[in-house]
Amino acid sequence: DAKTTQPTSMDCAEGRAANLPCNHSTISGNEYVYWYRQIHSQGPQYIIHGLKNNETNEMASLIITEDRKSSTLILPHATLRDTAVYYCIVRAAGWGKFQFGAGTQVVVTP
Amino acid sequence: DVKVTQSSRYLVKRTGEKVFLECVQDMDHENMFWYRQDPGLGLRLIYFSYDVKMKEKGDIPEGYSVSREKKERFSLILESASTNQTSMYLCASSSAGVVEQYFGPGTRLTVT
Repeated sequence: DAKTTQPTSMDCAEGRAANLPCNHSTISGNEYVYWYRQIHSQGPQYIIHGLKNNETNEMASLIITEDRKSSTLILPHATLRDTAVYYCIVRAAGWGKFQFGAGTQVVVTP
Repeated sequence: DVKVTQSSRYLVKRTGEKVFLECVQDMDHENMFWYRQDPGLGLRLIYFSYDVKMKEKGDIPEGYSVSREKKERFSLILESASTNQTSMYLCASSSAGVVEQYFGPGTRLTVT
């Protein structure tokens, strides 16, 4: 059973911000929101994660709504190398598996 | 930088062969994982290990076994390869108490 819902695909112009939405309406209080991406023919790459506060790192920003039922990953200045499938995952803290869904195919165009 | 390496990027084996996929991480991580990735099915967990000589079944362990004799190395074994095991195999590792997993580049296995 899917815990997250993401658009299948989206396009973004190079140099512009890419805003990737994710719905997780059944998220539990102890579950984090994680974002990974997978560039073609490579393994998934960790981007960012958060619980309820907004987070920012060198790759992206994560905005989580106050009710935690949805979030947005922001790539501030998309480059061609950001073309990838982006996965939004919710999971409780601690070790264990990640449930990867279909993700969003992001294509950055010149 | 965390580095997870896998023994082969591409592998072609025949039905019935025994196949070994090796994964090595250099960050002293306690946890290691094997996934397979198929179009339309996303990543599915095969086995994971949270310590040397420890292993736990994931969602699809049938037809696979694993070995973790050293902390840095986690091997996936296909006892008798079948065509439905043709897939991309991904290894990942994480530190105890740290949630994010770091993935290797993947091994694309074709069983003919």
